Amino acid sequence: DSGVTQTPKHLITATGQRVTLRCSPRSGDLSVYWYQQSLDQGLQFLIQYYNGEERAKGNILERFSAQQFPDLHSELNLSSLELGDSALYFCASSVLAHGDTQYFGPGTRLTVL
Amino acid sequence: AQTVTQSQPEMSVQEAETVTLSCTYDTSESDYYLFWYKQPPSRQMILVIRQEAYKQQNATENRFSVNFQKAAKSFSLKISDSQLGDAAMYFCAYRPNSNSGYALNFGKGTSLLVTP
Repeated sequence: DSGVTQTPKHLITATGQRVTLRCSPRSGDLSVYWYQQSLDQGLQFLIQYYNGEERAKGNILERFSAQQFPDLHSELNLSSLELGDSALYFCASSVLAHGDTQYFGPGTRLTVL
Repeated sequence: AQTVTQSQPEMSVQEAETVTLSCTYDTSESDYYLFWYKQPPSRQMILVIRQEAYKQQNATENRFSVNFQKAAKSFSLKISDSQLGDAAMYFCAYRPNSNSGYALNFGKGTSLLVTP
């Protein structure tokens, strides 16, 4: 157990819908990262937050957004969902913005029908 | 842009034997980190081992060790005394240590099968 929690574990929804994925980092970790794992794209970095502020952006679609709250948990919002958004979404956390290891949560499996 | 290449989509090893998984990367940075993560059927991403680029000594963690060749931009993982529980997808990852970002860049992965 990495100490990073993600909810829900599974999510099934329809095209055009909006969903919110939640992540709680390890105790003491200030930085949260979101990654998407799909069969065709592999593991891709989406976005990073550090202590409530956006720190880095990767291949995140405009339909996707995220935020980190004062208690350091983070939410990833996915809207206008398409079939191709079906994937495993991971949250990872680390103590600082740089210099250390990222520990991954168990992931949220999103299925868009 | 940094790229990570794992040239072996699948590997097989017998229990108790040794196997080496290959990884190469491309970067113009001099300061960075390299990682191997394991993803078993449960889909959890588990850190196996980490290497700082400024360290010449190869990292080891119990049965897992790396061969880090900075000039060749190569970072292979050696698993000794393979166990059935080592069967998983293994991902090599690169992360720069600069303000350009701290995201992990992953390879496509190598699926490791362990046979009794």
